[in-house]
This record gives sequence, C-alpha cells and structure tokens, in this order.
Amino acid sequence: QVQLVQSGAEVKKPGASVKVSCKASGYSFSTYDINWVRQAPGQGLEWMGWMNPKSGNTGYAQKFKGRITSTRDTSITTAYMELNNLSFEDTAVYYCARGRGFTSSLDYWGRGTMVTVSS
Amino acid sequence: QTVLTQPPSVSGAPGQRVTISCTGSSSNLGAGYDVHWYQQLPGTAPKLLIYGNNNRPSGVPDRFSGSKSGTSASLAITGLQAEDEADYYCQSYDYMRDGSRVFGTGTKVTVL
Repeated sequence: QVQLVQSGAEVKKPGASVKVSCKASGYSFSTYDINWVRQAPGQGLEWMGWMNPKSGNTGYAQKFKGRITSTRDTSITTAYMELNNLSFEDTAVYYCARGRGFTSSLDYWGRGTMVTVSS
Repeated sequence: QTVLTQPPSVSGAPGQRVTISCTGSSSNLGAGYDVHWYQQLPGTAPKLLIYGNNNRPSGVPDRFSGSKSGTSASLAITGLQAEDEADYYCQSYDYMRDGSRVFGTGTKVTVL
C-alpha cells in the first residue's frame, strides 16, 4: 500500500534551518510529485511547494521562495524539504503529500512532522 | 490573501444534510480548474474526500458528494453521522499564483 513516512518532530531556534524527510513506498517514486503543505496550530492548510522526483524540478509558493529547498534521493525513495531562517511563525505541522500534475488532487499524505521554533 | 473562501463552520443533527461552499475567482475555479476536497479529523493528516469536482476515492461513502459551477463549488454530506465531525478543505489550482495549488480557508463541521 502507498505510504509516506515522515521524520520526527523538531525543535529549532529562530534563524536556524530544518530539514524534513518523507520516505515513499508502495508505488513508483518517480511517477508522482511530492508536495509540501503546512498547518500552523489552529490554522488552515498552506501549500508550500512541489518537487518532481524523476527530474528534480521544483516549484514553490511565492511566500517561501528563497527560503525553501526540496530535494530527493531516488535510491532510497525519499524526498526532503529544507526551510531556512526559521521564525516563530514557522511553527507548524509540515506534511508531504503525493500528487500528479499541477491541477491534480493530493491523494496520499504523510502523518506530518511538527516543527517548533522556540528560543 | 484568501483565494478560496469557505464558511468557518456548519452544523447539523445526525441524519441531516449539510453543505459547505467554496468560493473562488476567475483565476482558479472560474478558469475551469478542478476542485478537490479533504477531510481532516482532529489530530490527523488531511484525507482526500472528493477529487476532480465530484469523484470519490475508493472507500469514501457515497454520503459525500461534490459539485462545481463557475467560480464556486460545494461539498454535501447527507445522512450526517457523528464521525463526520471534522474540518473540511477545498483545494484547486490558481494560475495567478506562480502555478500554485491553493486551499480554502477550511470549515468545521459539528454534529449536534
């Protein structure tokens, strides 16, 4: 079955970086994009960006450009999202989710990684 | 800046029908892009509920249905059940936003 297994919770100081991993299994890793979505405490869902595991191509929401990097290691079917220069407002649960094409739905989601930014 | 607007909350008694609206604009729903719906139970990850405006993934009860017209979309839940109490989000694509996926503001469904 399709699974996206994310890395564990992180606590970071302001100005630091965080790298979240998302290991895919149960399907051909290269045939679906990996998207990143975050949810601040008590807030709604916010799309951050996508990555094509086959080509490595990426696209990011304007809000995160310059601060976010999505990469992958196809040998271990794992995608990564790194967010730099963290602020308190980046405290959120970060989800990876599978999609195919820009307009498609996100049909499978990871369980989320809690990132807390605290001094 | 809100792109897809949903009511903050809707409620209904068990067995009733409730609907959730999702209002967009000419750069997303009005441009013909599909709308998708997600259900998020408390403390869990979102789950795909409706894709491509009105299609249910395998395992989603037929109590859930979706529709889209122009710049708006709706999710209907008929025969409301206690386990339907959750947050619901619509999602689409917006060509004015660097080719971004965009989510609705979210709606809390309460079963009375």
